[in-house]
Amino acid sequence: DAGVTQSPTHLIKTRGQQVTLRCSPKSGHDTVSWYQQALGQGPQFIFQYYEEEERQRGNFPDRFSGHQFPNYSSELNVNALLLGDSALYLCASSTYDRPGNTIYFGEGSWLTVV
Amino acid sequence: AQTVTQSQPEMSVQEAETVTLSCTYDTSESDYYLFWYKQPPSRQMILVIRQEAYKQQNATENRFSVNFQKAAKSFSLKISDSQLGDAAMYFCAYRSAETGTASKLTFGTGTRLQVTL
Repeated sequence: DAGVTQSPTHLIKTRGQQVTLRCSPKSGHDTVSWYQQALGQGPQFIFQYYEEEERQRGNFPDRFSGHQFPNYSSELNVNALLLGDSALYLCASSTYDRPGNTIYFGEGSWLTVV
Repeated sequence: AQTVTQSQPEMSVQEAETVTLSCTYDTSESDYYLFWYKQPPSRQMILVIRQEAYKQQNATENRFSVNFQKAAKSFSLKISDSQLGDAAMYFCAYRSAETGTASKLTFGTGTRLQVTL
């Protein structure tokens, strides 16, 4: 049973460019959330997707957007990249109607903006 | 909004000894979950232990146990018989019990644990 998978593992982008990160949730999970973890910090919640809709959003600008597909996989898009967007982006999956269930994390995508 | 505070940026423990990591949180909710996650250099978040707020009994998982004080909003992690493999960043996290918030975790800033010989 595959856990949460993310791609790419590492990438380097130039300021002003756009980036797309991808995530496949653990089998049986229907909810995907994205987190940003800056160096030396705890992860910060970006947003959550369920039934192909954004359900909750953290304190992130509109440059951060996402999508969820019918197979529950998800993408995180960041436009007009800033140097401060350099971070580890973690994807997490769970089940929407069972808040007691364990949240599983992927290994993350390292984004460096130069 | 909920907040989670970890006041110990770094801790050190000798192998086979016991160490306690501290965490406090703030919330107006009565039902919620608390977690300790471990993040080794590989950066993948690994669940160490979880506590349901409605349960008075402290959770235990092998060498890991918590001291949950709901009134004081305190949630500390005790690691017994520390091993070299325990060295990592440890994050305390909060999650509401409200349906629809299933994957929204609020994390603290972390405590880096070093294990020495």
